[in-house]
Amino acid sequence: DIQMTQSPSSVSASVGDRVTITCRASQGISSWLAWYQQKPGKAPKLLIYAASSLQSGVPSRFSGSGSGTDFTLTISSLQPEDFATYYCQQANSFPWTFGPGTKVDIK
Amino acid sequence: EVQLVESGGGLVQPGGSLRLSCAASGFTFSSYWMSWVRQAPGKGLEWVANIKQDGSEKYYVDSVKGRFTISRDNAKNSLYLQMNSLRAEDTAVYYCARPREVDDVLDYWGQGTLVTVSS
Repeated sequence: DIQMTQSPSSVSASVGDRVTITCRASQGISSWLAWYQQKPGKAPKLLIYAASSLQSGVPSRFSGSGSGTDFTLTISSLQPEDFATYYCQQANSFPWTFGPGTKVDIK
Repeated sequence: EVQLVESGGGLVQPGGSLRLSCAASGFTFSSYWMSWVRQAPGKGLEWVANIKQDGSEKYYVDSVKGRFTISRDNAKNSLYLQMNSLRAEDTAVYYCARPREVDDVLDYWGQGTLVTVSS
C-alpha cells in the first residue's frame, strides 16, 4: 500500500500569509494526486487534481505542484474562509490513501 | 446539479449489521465508478470501497474485506454499503463520493451519514 504523509500537521497563520503544505508518497505516484479542503461538519471539497490542476470554481490563490513522491499545496494569500483542514490523496493504485491532514488555523 | 444523499446510519451494537444507501441525481449514475469514504470522529479520511459502473469490479480497504459489501442498482441510481460484523473502530461518518472518470479524483461528495458502533 502507498502511505501518504503530510507536514506540518498544523499551522497557525494570519490573513494574507502564504501557506505551504507538503505531501509525500511512500512510492512514486506520477501526478495522481489530489488535494481536498474540509471544514468542520462538512464533506471534503476538491481543490487540486493531477497534482497541479485547479478544480473549476476554486480561487487562483490555491496552487499545487510536484510529481513522483513529493507534492506541495500553496495558498498564496490566506483568506478567512481558508481556515480548514487540508488532505492529500493518491489515486495511483488501490487502496486509495489519504494523508493525515493539515489543519490551518488562525494565528 | 449533482447530488449524493446518504442514509441508513445509526447506532448499532458490536457484531451487528447496517446497510447504508446513497441516492444519486444530476448525472448519469450508470456511467461512473462510485466510492465510499469514511471519517472516524476527530480523525482523517479513509477510503473504504469502490465499485465499477456495472458492478463487475469491487475494491476494498483491507480492514473491511469480508465484512463490508459495496453494491449498486443503476435502475434506481443508488449505491449501497452492507456492513456486517461491525466493530467499534467502524464508528465514523460514511460519505458516498463520485470518482471522476478521467482521473479518479473524488469531485462530488454526499453530506455523510454517521454510523456508531457501541453497546
